[in-house]
Amino acid sequence: GAVVSQHPSRVICKSGTSVKIECRSLDFQATTMFWYRQFPKQSLMLMATSNEGSKATYEQGVEKDKFLINHASLTLSTLTVTSAHPEDSSFYICSAIRTDPYGYTFGSGTRLTVV
Amino acid sequence: RKEVEQDPGPFNVPEGATVAFNCTYSNSASQSFFWYRQDCRKEPKLLMSVYSSGNEDGRFTAQLNRASQYISLLIRDSKLSDSATYLCVVNIPFRAGNMLTFGGGTRLMVKP
Repeated sequence: GAVVSQHPSRVICKSGTSVKIECRSLDFQATTMFWYRQFPKQSLMLMATSNEGSKATYEQGVEKDKFLINHASLTLSTLTVTSAHPEDSSFYICSAIRTDPYGYTFGSGTRLTVV
Repeated sequence: RKEVEQDPGPFNVPEGATVAFNCTYSNSASQSFFWYRQDCRKEPKLLMSVYSSGNEDGRFTAQLNRASQYISLLIRDSKLSDSATYLCVVNIPFRAGNMLTFGGGTRLMVKP
């Protein structure tokens, strides 16, 4: 149980285009999801906290207009990288909190390459 | 100062060796502590939680020292399959809930 599905697992896009990444909790409801970014040989850095039915909370230095987060239902949060540039190339991972039992579950990650 | 600090390694050890990693955290309000394992290009996976009394799971032993604000992970009888990056993770209360803060990870390479 407690599976989080993240899609796509890998995407290559052209500079200037937008990419949407989906994160779904398959067998539990997630009122809170987290979006992380990981550059090569670095740790996961929290980008934003996604709350169902309300605006996401962004960490310092993360542009909210560039990384659009939508958490429209209790099982789906999406991250859209708008006007992607090569420096946005990274590994993006979502995480959801389950309440019973309490714990964190990670999606399998999305490797974004902007060319 | 980073909130969670780890020695990045790499730790290169032979099969069968015992290896230990340490991690320090700066926020005394931290409530929960974990070790995650991350394989190359994969998502982190929970290895074990860390309890105040210390806990053991097979070849893995985790310890927590709240007074000194550090966490340790001991791996006995290392296997080739233990090669990975080990992330120290701390759960810090924030805003409306809790959030995980990750250390930079310690890379372990077990050699035949």
